[in-house]
Amino acid sequence: AQTVTQSQPEMSVQEAETVTLSCTYDTSESDYYLFWYKQPPSRQMILVIRQEAYKQQNATENRFSVNFQKAAKSFSLKISDSQLGDAAMYFCAYIRRGGSEKLVFGKGTKLTVNP
Amino acid sequence: SQTIHQWPATLVQPVGSPLSLECTVEGTSNPNLYWYRQAAGRGLQLLFYSVGIGQISSEVPQNLSASRPQDRQFILSSKKLLLSDSGFYLCAWDSRQGGEKLFFGSGTQLSVL
Repeated sequence: AQTVTQSQPEMSVQEAETVTLSCTYDTSESDYYLFWYKQPPSRQMILVIRQEAYKQQNATENRFSVNFQKAAKSFSLKISDSQLGDAAMYFCAYIRRGGSEKLVFGKGTKLTVNP
Repeated sequence: SQTIHQWPATLVQPVGSPLSLECTVEGTSNPNLYWYRQAAGRGLQLLFYSVGIGQISSEVPQNLSASRPQDRQFILSSKKLLLSDSGFYLCAWDSRQGGEKLFFGSGTQLSVL
């Protein structure tokens, strides 16, 4: 079964600095999607970024970018110019493309942004 | 555009009382629908998912049940709540294409006292 591991239960960063959140996953598949979701104190789950495994180019969304290392099964999230509003739980997730399996989530990383 | 509605936002129920949480999706047809539970400070646990009307799959045996009476309506129920049913419940949907984005409702905080 596929698993997603976020090894950092908590992280902190100074406002305007850069932080990287780690995620590793275990799969024997070659075609899949990876996601980062953000859950702020409101608890609304918000999609931050999506990566398609067959695309070598790392996905980017404004200040958010990923470092996707397919061979290493690593999918880290980099947040540049951190803002107070970035404080949240961040969940990494995996799903096989075109399959009937469900999205598999990591346990999350709590990010604190210090002013 | 597609939207997902989930209610109520907050619910306080006594042990042994029934439960009904409702979720509806607008702007799409034939979605996959999901119920997740999140304990305080923890990750998401998939409870139920549905690929069509009347089709419910349970991921974790428990005190809860789910129903899908209409294409875009998903209901989470219990006949008798337990203390351990407390938590944050999230409804979500995605398209049938697989690997598409999962969209979440705003959640229901359930406290069983």
